Amino acid sequence: ILNVEQSPQSLHVQEGDSTNFTCSFPSSNFYALHWYRWETAKSPEALFVMTLNGDEKKKGRISATLNTKEGYSYLYIKGSQPEDSATYLCAFSGGSGYSTLTFGKGTMLLVSP
Amino acid sequence: ETGVTQSPTHLIKTRGQQVTLRCSSQSGHNTVSWYQQALGQGPQFIFQYYREEENGRGNFPPRFSGLQFPNYSSELNVNALELDDSALYLCASSLPGVSVYTIYFGEGSWLTVV
Repeated sequence: ILNVEQSPQSLHVQEGDSTNFTCSFPSSNFYALHWYRWETAKSPEALFVMTLNGDEKKKGRISATLNTKEGYSYLYIKGSQPEDSATYLCAFSGGSGYSTLTFGKGTMLLVSP
Repeated sequence: ETGVTQSPTHLIKTRGQQVTLRCSSQSGHNTVSWYQQALGQGPQFIFQYYREEENGRGNFPPRFSGLQFPNYSSELNVNALELDDSALYLCASSLPGVSVYTIYFGEGSWLTVV
């Protein structure tokens, strides 16, 4: 059974704070690590797909790093804004089923003005 | 907008009944996957369809079944509904074969079983 863990479970920060979340996943049979941003009543929005050890991706104020050897990824948000409030999900895909995802439970972020 | 549309958005069914959920994949995407998200959990993989054939299945009983049509749209059918089937059902479409690809999700169908 694949285990994908995310921490913290929830986070409440003030506008302007920078924050980061962790996703841990199996280090064997790795294919890709996906990050999604999910606002209530909307579809999960794909942020990053990461495949290479040491990979770093950036999209505006959001960035992510990947360590496939030790099985973790960090998502960073610089200068959080209220519109960043959402649940952030990471999902692992392995070599045997590279287009099927095993999700963590997510980190719920609330940014107060 | 992901281009993945699901219907209905919400529905209520009685225990023992059957339900059909529908998904239209993003244009050109030949692979559709279904996920169940129960309260407090991350989405759980139900099954995947590729070119109208089931191409992988998660740990769900046979009363969860599906179809994919020639236009790559898909249905999820659940028979003999149980209270624990109450969840958000997400459809995802993708185009495997590309070296790095993104999987797109719909907004989901909320199912309540009473």
